[in-house]
Amino acid sequence: RKEVEQDPGPFNVPEGATVAFNCTYSNSASQSFFWYRQDCRKEPKLLMSVYSSGNEDGRFTAQLNRASQYISLLIRDSKLSDSATYLCVVIPTGGFKTIFGAGTRLFVKA
Amino acid sequence: DTAVSQTPKYLVTQMGNDKSIKCEQNLGHDTMYWYKQDSKKFLKIMFSYNNKELIINETVPNRFSPKSPDKAHLNLHINSLELGDSAVYFCASSQAHSGQYEQYFGPGTRLTVT
Repeated sequence: RKEVEQDPGPFNVPEGATVAFNCTYSNSASQSFFWYRQDCRKEPKLLMSVYSSGNEDGRFTAQLNRASQYISLLIRDSKLSDSATYLCVVIPTGGFKTIFGAGTRLFVKA
Repeated sequence: DTAVSQTPKYLVTQMGNDKSIKCEQNLGHDTMYWYKQDSKKFLKIMFSYNNKELIINETVPNRFSPKSPDKAHLNLHINSLELGDSAVYFCASSQAHSGQYEQYFGPGTRLTVT
C-alpha cells in the first residue's frame, strides 16, 4: 500500500462546478497535512494547510479525518484557472520527511 | 525578490559527466530539501537538511551528494550521471525546526542526460 494515495483523475468539470478530491494516508502517526497545487512545468505551490477542524479559504475547503486517515479538498464554483494538478502532502512525526501523493489532475472547461 | 531560487534552470549533459545544481533561499528558513520529479510526475524527497545538518537521506545513490555551506544554501552534486537521472529537481525550504512545515519550492532544474 502506498503511503499516500490519491485518485489520479483526470477530473473534467465545467466552470462553476463543485469538485472534491480525496487522499488517504497509511501512517497514523502523521502530524501535518497540506494541499499543494502544481501547474504544468512549474513548481508545487502551497494551497492550504489541513486541520481536523476543517479550514476554508475562499472557494477552497480542506478537511482532515484522523480516524479514517483521510484528507479532502473541496473546490466550489470552479474557474478555468483552477486547472492544475492537486497534490496531497503528509508529514510524519518528526517533521523532516515529506510524502507527496501522486496528484490529481483537474481540467476546468468553459 | 525570489524566495527560493535554483540555478541552472535547464541542464543538458552526457552520461558519465558530473554536474551541480545550486539552491538559495532568502526566507530565513532552517530546513532545506531536494526533491526529484520523474517523467511520471511523481515528486519524491531525496534529502532534508536542518541548520546545515543532513536529517533525511531517502536511499538515494551515493552519486548524489548534497552540501549545505550555510542555512540559506543547499547544493546538489551528481557524479557519473546516468540516463535515469533525467528529471526535474526541486529545492524547497521550510521552518520545520520551529514546527512550521509549509514548504516553499524553487522553480526547478530540468536535467536531461543523453
